[in-house]
Amino acid sequence: NAGVTQTPKFRILKIGQSMTLQCTQDMNHNYMYWYRQDPGMGLKLIYYSVGAGITDKGEVPNGYNVSRSTTEDFPLRLELAAPSQTSVYFCASSLPGLTYEQYFGPGTRLTVT
Amino acid sequence: GQNIDQPTEMTATEGAIVQINCTYQTSGFNGLFWYQQHAGEAPTFLSYNVLDGLEEKGRFSSFLSRSKGYSYLLLKELQMKDSASYLCAVRDSNYQLIWGAGTKLIIKP
Repeated sequence: NAGVTQTPKFRILKIGQSMTLQCTQDMNHNYMYWYRQDPGMGLKLIYYSVGAGITDKGEVPNGYNVSRSTTEDFPLRLELAAPSQTSVYFCASSLPGLTYEQYFGPGTRLTVT
Repeated sequence: GQNIDQPTEMTATEGAIVQINCTYQTSGFNGLFWYQQHAGEAPTFLSYNVLDGLEEKGRFSSFLSRSKGYSYLLLKELQMKDSASYLCAVRDSNYQLIWGAGTKLIIKP
């Protein structure tokens, strides 16, 4: 199993550009998540999904959109990139249930200039 | 508001024992997780506590006191590869994880 994979690993965007961060998992997990991690801060939840066709906002959803058309894929879309979106983005997945841990992808390091 | 506090940085010696504390104030409690994150890498799961007491897993143990809003991660027989950040996360009443900023652990020979 590859686990959770993310592409790209690095990206530099100009202000106002858009892009999609890709996330795929092959563990047949129902739950998927998008986090951002800024230096000196805890992970912040952007969006999450409990299954195909179902998505919900997390703590910091503004400026982002998601879709979940399949169990495996959970892309994150950035529209009109801003410098405040410079961060490391992690995708994660888990089985449903309170006790199950989240498995993280390797992350995408995004810089907006 | 919701808050999770951890020390920013700790230093310990190879072969020694270190305790990393985490205090939390959250809207509800549905379990506490510890993750390890090496620099430039993704977090990886270490432990989960939902009831009071100590959970032991090899060289790592995690303790929880729900009445005190307190947990600690205990690392024994420290190795150089244990140099990493350790993240505390609490699942709140909305079943979402609230994350601390992490404790950077530096191991010296």
